[in-house]
Amino acid sequence: AQSVSQHNHHVILSEAASLELGCNYSYGGTVNLFWYVQYPGQHLQLLLKYFSGDPLVKGIKGFEAEFIKSKFSFNLRKPSVQWSDTAEYFCAVNRDTGRRALTFGSGTRLQVQP
Amino acid sequence: DAGVTQSPTHLIKTRGQQVTLRCSPKSGHDTVSWYQQALGQGPQFIFQYYEEEERQRGNFPDRFSGHQFPNYSSELNVNALLLGDSALYLCASKGREVSYNEQFFGPGTRLTVL
Repeated sequence: AQSVSQHNHHVILSEAASLELGCNYSYGGTVNLFWYVQYPGQHLQLLLKYFSGDPLVKGIKGFEAEFIKSKFSFNLRKPSVQWSDTAEYFCAVNRDTGRRALTFGSGTRLQVQP
Repeated sequence: DAGVTQSPTHLIKTRGQQVTLRCSPKSGHDTVSWYQQALGQGPQFIFQYYEEEERQRGNFPDRFSGHQFPNYSSELNVNALLLGDSALYLCASKGREVSYNEQFFGPGTRLTVL
């Protein structure tokens, strides 16, 4: 069975600091990779996704992620965070066959201090 | 274009009771998945429906059951509620294009079991 690990459970940054959140998955086959964000009181929203092609994907709000197949990683980055980025971030993966369910990591709570 | 909608927003039940949660998928979507998100955790896959049949199931007991209607809406039923069933229940829908694996999430139903 596939699994997703997010090693940073709680991250506190000041505005304008750079962000990198780690995500590792365990599955040997072809996968689709996602980062979702959950702002306080709001539902899960897709930040970015990787299906194939360029391993560096850009998402909304200045976020990007790099897929490194050899490391089974899909880390999320943002050069300069804002207070409005305070949220919970979830990495998710599903197998690239059919209507596969998502497997989520446990999430990283990001707190950006003004 | 309405996104994924869920009802009710909040629900309080006591142990041993039964509960039914409802989900309407995004317009044009035919696949509905249900996830349980316990406090401080990532969403966990319960099951997925399309063509009115359960197609995949996560590691949840038979107390959790579901249904999909011809209009693609779905219900999640939980029998014999336990305290541990307290969680946010998320519904996600997906489009007909099988290769496009992005899922759209609803706002969730917060279930509290006393």
